[in-house]
Amino acid sequence: DGGITQSPKYLFRKEGQNVTLSCEQNLNHDAMYWYRQDPGQGLRLIYYSQIVNDFQKGDIAEGYSVSREKKESFPLTVTSAQKNPTAFYLCASSTWTGLDYGYTFGSGTRLTVV
Amino acid sequence: ELKVEQNPLFLSMQEGKNYTIYCNYSTTSDRLYWYRQDPGKSLESLFVLLSNGAVKQEGRLMASLDTKARLSTLHITAAVHDLSATYFCAVVGYSEYGNKLVFGAGTILRVKS
Repeated sequence: DGGITQSPKYLFRKEGQNVTLSCEQNLNHDAMYWYRQDPGQGLRLIYYSQIVNDFQKGDIAEGYSVSREKKESFPLTVTSAQKNPTAFYLCASSTWTGLDYGYTFGSGTRLTVV
Repeated sequence: ELKVEQNPLFLSMQEGKNYTIYCNYSTTSDRLYWYRQDPGKSLESLFVLLSNGAVKQEGRLMASLDTKARLSTLHITAAVHDLSATYFCAVVGYSEYGNKLVFGAGTILRVKS
């Protein structure tokens, strides 16, 4: 079955460490997105990419980096510059179907700083 | 810049009662989504609303869209405990770089028996 796989489901990071969250899709979608969710808040866009080798900053890109070397993969690195990285991270993808964008979400990664 | 506002942010309801969640957005868009999220889980798509006056219903939930007022509503009829979750509306925003979903803050719904 097609879908988006995020790994790991839970991730613990020590202060000052960089960590990378994986997002892989086999839907052949062109666009991919990373969102951050904090308790009691909506989803805020970190980065998005419409095509391979191109990506754009979202609303809260500081302290994060991404790459899009393959259509299927859009990893997110949380750097030590991100002062408060503890959150739930959701990856999404989309492609135009002729009627809709068909947004699809992964199951999420919960990152905790210890 | 596209902004999406939901209200209320928290809703405590008795079983069997009706209520409405409101979603306002700041700039023109051609589609609006409603999602449900259970604790610790991903988003479940409920409705996609594509045109002015669109109305969709699934079980006890009904969503509508007024593009002129930039307003969508999610109406809950005769609430049951299983509807307890967080509900988000999201609007498609466009830029020179493509499309993206902009979310409201979410409405936490608790249905009490």
